[in-house]
Amino acid sequence: RKEVEQDPGPFNVPEGATVAFNCTYSNSASQSFFWYRQDCRKEPKLLMSVYSSGNEDGRFTAQLNRASQYISLLIRDSKLSDSATYLCVVNNGYSTLTFGKGTMLLVSP
Amino acid sequence: EAGVTQFPSHSVIEKGQTVTLRCDPISGHDNLYWYRRVMGKEIKFLLHFVKESKQDESGMPNNRFLAERTGGTYSTLKVQPAELEDSGVYFCASSSRDRWTSGNTIYFGEGSWLTVV
Repeated sequence: RKEVEQDPGPFNVPEGATVAFNCTYSNSASQSFFWYRQDCRKEPKLLMSVYSSGNEDGRFTAQLNRASQYISLLIRDSKLSDSATYLCVVNNGYSTLTFGKGTMLLVSP
Repeated sequence: EAGVTQFPSHSVIEKGQTVTLRCDPISGHDNLYWYRRVMGKEIKFLLHFVKESKQDESGMPNNRFLAERTGGTYSTLKVQPAELEDSGVYFCASSSRDRWTSGNTIYFGEGSWLTVV
């Protein structure tokens, strides 16, 4: 079983739509959780950290369920510029980040 | 402020040759990381430097890979001899702290794209 699993997509949505991505992780000792965004042939960039209490940053909402080892990202009012690959990333408290393969989002006019 | 810079951005070499990738972290960042993504796979950790010392090199695939960070500034990753399966993108990253506490951010470079033919 992969350490971090994501649906690769692509998710094709029209502008203005709401889209949700899910991610599961296998290591129950994982301590920190993140969503990164990666544009085509670019580097990963931190989108937001994920907390058990849930956190929101503008149109983006992230949620962590430790009991189910499940992380989600909700994007409301999708923009064309949201088209990218979204990487679910976990950390066990030390130096290593463990990445999922990413979920591709395509927002169309 | 300059971000993490990597050189070369793209490299095509023949199997058996040697390639050296360079990374300049953000100024003042003691922590430097190498990650790579091979075709169809997820990004995977290779190793972590704290200043000039290797903190964790558990992700290095084999002894054909050698990473150095002399003086604790820039780092190099040498692949010798290169094999076909080494093709992929090699990301360098840096951070000011080594523990993933709230507010600690890791910054990635744009990557060095390596193709071994």
